[in-house]
Amino acid sequence: EVRVVESGGGTVQPGGSLRLSCVASGFTFGDHWMIWIRRAPGKGLEWVANIDEGGNKKFYADSVVGRFTISRDNAKNSLFLQMDGLRVEDTALYYCARDLNYNDKGHYFDVIDLWGQGTMVTVSS
Amino acid sequence: AIQMTQSPSSLSASVGDRVTITCRASQGIKNDLGWYQQKAGNGPNLLIYAASTLHAGVPSRFSGSGSGTDFTLTISNLQPEDSATYYCLQDYTYPRTFGQGTKVEVK
Repeated sequence: EVRVVESGGGTVQPGGSLRLSCVASGFTFGDHWMIWIRRAPGKGLEWVANIDEGGNKKFYADSVVGRFTISRDNAKNSLFLQMDGLRVEDTALYYCARDLNYNDKGHYFDVIDLWGQGTMVTVSS
Repeated sequence: AIQMTQSPSSLSASVGDRVTITCRASQGIKNDLGWYQQKAGNGPNLLIYAASTLHAGVPSRFSGSGSGTDFTLTISNLQPEDSATYYCLQDYTYPRTFGQGTKVEVK
């Protein structure tokens, strides 16, 4: 079965750290860009970060740059999100997702076709 | 960052109706836009990418159009299972940004 499963969420105090993990199965993990996206309670989706197939290119939302680090281990089919300096506003359900990165005559489109069920992060004192 | 403004924020329509959701970018993004559907308790699902290309397996009653700054998602012949929140996402530049979402209720 093709799927991604997140883990590592929990409750942490402001200023604390958490490391989220996402394990992929059913497809060649190392062939795809991967993404973290979150949804805060009562709010909409927010793109957080993504990483290329080899782990060399990484991009972040303005709200997390300098605090969050995305990484991957292709040998273990795993994606990670190290979250430091957590803030109350980081409270959200965090989704791991696959991007097919569709190439149309040299122009690439995000095609985020596979999502997990999410792992909940709560930042509270 | 590019701002994506979606409207309306919510709508209610009947089975069989045609509904339209719009998304406006704060600057031109060519056709670098996707539409996603999220039902309560589930992860999002891709409907459309490249503004108008229907993702495999998505019913043909969903369609997308637009380029530059103005985009639309149209659901023709609305069905009960279309009750969900819909989001646009620009992939023209980093950081990627979502619209605020449109909650669709099917009466």
